[in-house]
Formats: sequence, structure tokens, C-alpha cells
Amino acid sequence: AQKVTQAQTEISVVEKEDVTLDCVYETRDTTYYLFWYKQPPSGELVFLIRRNSFDEQNEISGRYSWNFQKSTSSFNFTITASQVVDSAVYFCALRRSGNTPLVFGKGTRLSVIA
Amino acid sequence: EPEVTQTPSHQVTQMGQEVILRCVPISNHLYFYWYRQILGQKVEFLVSFYNNEISEKSEIFDDQFSVERPDGSNFTLKIRSTKLEDSAMYFCASSRRLSDTQYFGPGTRLTVL
Repeated sequence: AQKVTQAQTEISVVEKEDVTLDCVYETRDTTYYLFWYKQPPSGELVFLIRRNSFDEQNEISGRYSWNFQKSTSSFNFTITASQVVDSAVYFCALRRSGNTPLVFGKGTRLSVIA
Repeated sequence: EPEVTQTPSHQVTQMGQEVILRCVPISNHLYFYWYRQILGQKVEFLVSFYNNEISEKSEIFDDQFSVERPDGSNFTLKIRSTKLEDSAMYFCASSRRLSDTQYFGPGTRLTVL
């Protein structure tokens, strides 16, 4: 069975602070995919990043960066110099290879205060 | 940039009524999904659909639910007799190829009274 754990239910930071959202996953598959989605207050799910299990290279996109470590089964997400517009619920998700569904974590609600 | 669209954005219905939620996946995508999110909770998988048939379904997707691709563009989720606990946000998603990223629509908020 697959499982995604986001231990941080809510995080509150002051604008311009850096913040890291934790994600720990469980799977027995050797090939799998990890994702982060953002859900702003308007409710939609916005795709942020996808990582394949065979590619542990970390990625940076502007103020966003992701740290994938298979040794600890973690896929953490860091926002540098947070902004009020980053306020949202962030979901980490896992998927096996093939036509399989996403398994989501419970999400982390990030509040960035001006 | 192509998007998944969903209608209506909000549907209010009485318990026991049938509802149909509509989705238009991205045009060259072949794999379609429905997920739901009860308020304040995580997103849960309902069903996946490929080549005009269900590929996989969760325990949530019981006999009250059905999906259909009535034409080349729409993908619908029908709930035959709604219950209070069906109140949730329903998301449609699509992907182009096997194991590709799933892109989500904006969701339909279903309220059952």
C-alpha cells in the first residue's frame, strides 16, 4: 500500500521568511512518481512539480525548491522569501507507474502574514 | 495553455436527487479521473477511465456513481441518489499518456441538503 504523510497541518510565517513543507512517503514500488500541488483559497488544484523515483536531482524553480531523498523517503518543498500569495494548502502526492491514481497527503496549510 | 474545465462550479441539490457533474478534459488527453475532497480533508481518488471503460475505482465509487464519456470532449460523473455525505468538491483530472502528470480542473462544489 502507498501512503503520504504531511506531518505539518498548519504553518504560519511572516512574509520574506523561508519555509519548508515536509512530505514523507511509503511505497514498495521501485518506480513511482512524486508530486506537489497547490490549492489556493479559490479551491483549484495547481500542479507544481513532478519527480520520478529514478531521478533524485533536486530542483529549483524561482523561489521554490524541492529536495528528494530516497534514503529517507522524503520529498520536501521549500519556499524562499515567502509572499502573501503563497498562502494556500499544499498537497504532496504519490503515484505508482501505469494508469494509477494519485495518493494524496492530508495537506499543509501555509499562511504567510504581511 | 489548455485547461481542464468543469461545470457547474457549484451545485446545490436535495438529498435523493440525481446530479451530473461535467468535465471537459484537455483535448489530446486519453486518461481521465475523478477525485473528491470533503471540506477540510485530503483529496481522494474515485475512478479512472480510459478507452471508454473504467480502469480502476475506489471503495467510495459504489453503485450510486457512474461515469461516462458521451462524446469526444465531455467526461461526466453521475451520482444517482445523493446523500448528505456526498457533499464535497469534485475534481476532474486528465493526463495524456500513462504515468503522465494529471492536470486538474477547478472543481465542482456539490452541496447536498
